[in-house]
Amino acid sequence: AQKVTQAQTEISVVEKEDVTLDCVYETRDTTYYLFWYKQPPSGELVFLIRRNSFDEQNEISGRYSWNFQKSTSSFNFTITASQVVDSAVYFCALSEALRSFNKFYFGSGTKLNVKP
Amino acid sequence: GAVVSQHPSWVICKSGTSVKIECRSLDFQATTMFWYRQFPKQSLMLMATSNEGSKATYEQGVEKDKFLINHASLTLSTLTVTSAHPEDSSFYICSARVLAGTYNEQFFGPGTRLTVL
Repeated sequence: AQKVTQAQTEISVVEKEDVTLDCVYETRDTTYYLFWYKQPPSGELVFLIRRNSFDEQNEISGRYSWNFQKSTSSFNFTITASQVVDSAVYFCALSEALRSFNKFYFGSGTKLNVKP
Repeated sequence: GAVVSQHPSWVICKSGTSVKIECRSLDFQATTMFWYRQFPKQSLMLMATSNEGSKATYEQGVEKDKFLINHASLTLSTLTVTSAHPEDSSFYICSARVLAGTYNEQFFGPGTRLTVL
């Protein structure tokens, strides 16, 4: 069974619009970590955030915010006032602390196109 | 943050040749390194987990005789694609794990783009 689901394959927005990228995960571990990474065309993964399963506080970092809800197994990512430089593929990932030596399970990614 | 490098960043080779990709943790020691493969417009798929001084653990469906992994030191893991074929063309990414407090931090390399002609 897929552990991380990113249902949105591709999203296109116009600059300055807000956009939310969805991520739903599945795990039996009580201790786990969730991540978001940005992958620009160069290919290098850019770390955005890590959240552990015991911390459900939402987080804001500049134009980025994350909404973690254990009740719905979701970890959504919102970009406020999007910019062209935000165009990239965004991956949500899960790492289970107790099983599998912290292997990362990546979602299929959401390609974000921000048009000027 | 910790830095992981990969060499080469891109490589083009002829079908049937072998290609070696290096993954190095530059400023920390990594007991475990992971190798991922990413086909165009697809997600990263874990190929194998590599522990220093022991044999790599391969994910289901990954041919261990084709993708040779050596983790000879705490700062270097290598992936050798043997007898490469065009279908092996992909983006290969490594990551290195280090214990940071109670959490095992994982840092990703910049990736190596392999094209097999």
